[in-house]
Amino acid sequence: DIQVTQSPSSLSASVGDRVTITCRATHDISSSLAWYQQTPGKAPKLVLYAASRLQSGVPYRFSGSGSGTDYALTINSLQPEDFATYYCQQYYSLPYTFGQGTKLEL
Amino acid sequence: QVQLQESGPGLVKPSETLSLTCNVSGASVSSKTYYWSWLRQPPGKGLEWIGYIYYGGITSYNPSLKSRVTISSASSKNQFSLQLTSVTAADTAVYYCAGLFHGHFDYWGQGTPVTASS
Repeated sequence: DIQVTQSPSSLSASVGDRVTITCRATHDISSSLAWYQQTPGKAPKLVLYAASRLQSGVPYRFSGSGSGTDYALTINSLQPEDFATYYCQQYYSLPYTFGQGTKLEL
Repeated sequence: QVQLQESGPGLVKPSETLSLTCNVSGASVSSKTYYWSWLRQPPGKGLEWIGYIYYGGITSYNPSLKSRVTISSASSKNQFSLQLTSVTAADTAVYYCAGLFHGHFDYWGQGTPVTASS
C-alpha cells in the first residue's frame, strides 16, 4: 500500500493568514492526489484533485502544488469557514489511502 | 446534483453482520460514470476506504477488510449496500457512502454512525 503522511497534524492561524499543509507519499503518485475539507459532524468535501485542480465551487484562495511524492495545499487569506480538518488522499493505486489529517484551528 | 443517503442500524452486536444501504439520486448506480464506494471514520480518527462497486458489478475491496466485506447494488432501487461480517469494537465508526470519479470522492452521503457493542 502507498502510505501518505501529512504535516503538521495541527496548525493554529488567524483570519487573513496564509497557510500550507504538506502531504508526502511513500511512492511517486504522479499527481494522483486529492484534498478534502471536513468540519465537525459533516462529511468530507472535495477541495482539489489531480494535485492542483480546483473542484467546482471551491474558492480560488485554495491552491495545490507538488509532484512525485511531495504535495502541498495552500490557503491564502484564511476565512472563518476555512477552519476545519484537511485530508489528502492518493488515488494512484489501490487501496486508496488518506493522510491522518491536519486540524486547522483559529 | 448527485445526492447520497446512508441508512441502517446504528448498533450492531459483536460477531454479527453490519448492513448499510446507500440511496442515490441524481445519478444511476448502473452508469459507467461513478464507482460507488463505502468509507468509514472511527471516532476522532482519519478516513479509511472500504471498497467500491462499479458498472457490471465489478468490485474492489481494501485488503485489510476484504475477507469480511461485500458490496452489492440494486439498480431497480438505485441503491448500493455494504455488508461487514464478524464485527468487533474496532468497526465502530461513521460510515459514508460516496461517488468516486477518476479516483477522487466527489459526492458524499452525510454519514451514519455505527457502534459495535453488546
